[in-house]
Amino acid sequence: VQLVQSGAEVKKPWASVKVSCKASGYTFTNYDINWVRQATGQGLEWMGWMNPNSGHTGFAQKFQDRVTMTRNTSISTAYMELYSLTSEDTAVYFCARAIVGGHHFDYWGQGALVTVSS
Amino acid sequence: HSALTQPRSVSGSPGQSVTISCTGTSSDVGGYNYVSWYQQHPGKAPKLMIYDVTKRPSGVPDRFSGSKSGNAASLTISGLQGEDEADYYCCSYAGTYTWVFGGGTKLTVL
Repeated sequence: VQLVQSGAEVKKPWASVKVSCKASGYTFTNYDINWVRQATGQGLEWMGWMNPNSGHTGFAQKFQDRVTMTRNTSISTAYMELYSLTSEDTAVYFCARAIVGGHHFDYWGQGALVTVSS
Repeated sequence: HSALTQPRSVSGSPGQSVTISCTGTSSDVGGYNYVSWYQQHPGKAPKLMIYDVTKRPSGVPDRFSGSKSGNAASLTISGLQGEDEADYYCCSYAGTYTWVFGGGTKLTVL
């Protein structure tokens, strides 16, 4: 099982960023993809989830208005796009899988650093 | 949901046991048996150590164990080893397909 994420990004305030997460070694549609972020020196923060089979999503209230999570099942890849970036969004963004109906994250991507700076 | 409460740091000597607490509310930790624990070494992705309060994934040493009482969960590491030095995060299901993490605990092996 591997989740391989896209590389580091530098964005200006108010821009958007799209991070990808390519899955391999398992059936992509059998596991939800969650997104978790971590600011430098800070803790983990759950952002939301997506079911790759149905496309259904759910988000933490904090991100509800400015995040989308999508997928391309033909290439087993999930995407997280965050809009209206501010410096407080500077963080490492992780994708993590959870079996559908499960409540824990058993495999994680390597993380993608997003830096927001003018 | 507010972040779950964990001690900022704990420490222990090799061979000793340490316990890390994780306090939530009846809406998360206390409401579901879906607490998980993650180990994170610097610059690395988190690793699942315990799920569903007490279950250990394949490959995780049985020195790691989890428990829960009311709104508080705990991770106990017995027979501390140098490689256990890391940050540890608890996570709980919080209903309506949402999850919440703890603030993290830095474990130092003396």
